[in-house]
Amino acid sequence: GEDVEQSLFLSVREGDSSVINCTYTDSSSTYLYWYKQEPGAGLQLLTYIFSNMDMKQDQRLTVLLNKKDKHLSLRIADTQTGDSAIYFCAERSGGYNKLIFGAGTRLAVHP
Amino acid sequence: DSGVTQTPKHLITATGQRVTLRCSPRSGDLSVYWYQQSLDQGLQFLIQYYNGEERAKGNILERFSAQQFPDLHSELNLSSLELGDSALYFCASSVGGISSGANVLTFGAGSRLTVL
Repeated sequence: GEDVEQSLFLSVREGDSSVINCTYTDSSSTYLYWYKQEPGAGLQLLTYIFSNMDMKQDQRLTVLLNKKDKHLSLRIADTQTGDSAIYFCAERSGGYNKLIFGAGTRLAVHP
Repeated sequence: DSGVTQTPKHLITATGQRVTLRCSPRSGDLSVYWYQQSLDQGLQFLIQYYNGEERAKGNILERFSAQQFPDLHSELNLSSLELGDSALYFCASSVGGISSGANVLTFGAGSRLTVL
């Protein structure tokens, strides 16, 4: 079946690294995604990773993929207050590529 | 501005009523997706259209229906509304198709429905 799970909350100090974890179930997922939702806004794509990759780095963002364990993580280096938001993990599923999202992890950054 | 336009932004209505939410996809995108975001259910996939045809169905209630028109805009119809239908409804679009690379979804700002 299709299911994506994430922890619901994460609190970090400004300047520290944040790591948001996600597990998914569809072993045939070819792409996995991270989206960010700021208060009152829609979802904005942060990054994605192809399933044959283990890691992808994009400025302060590092995505790690463990396909064997179906585990995905997003690391945000030097977390800032502007990073406070809900972060959604998603797996691509099905022939026409719909995305199945996790419940979202609310990241709170405090001074 | 993501390029995906949703109207209305806010809607307040009563139980038992019917509403229509509208979505215009980003220029060049053929696929439209509808999602429901509520506090207790997270972001739930409802339905997907590709070039006018339904392609995937998720947890969409029978009271809900959708369609994609020849100009590619889409409408989500919600009828016999209940209190529990209060939520944010997001539309997203993508290039779509079976072989479309990463097929990144671009989301609209959402339509907030409140049922009283």
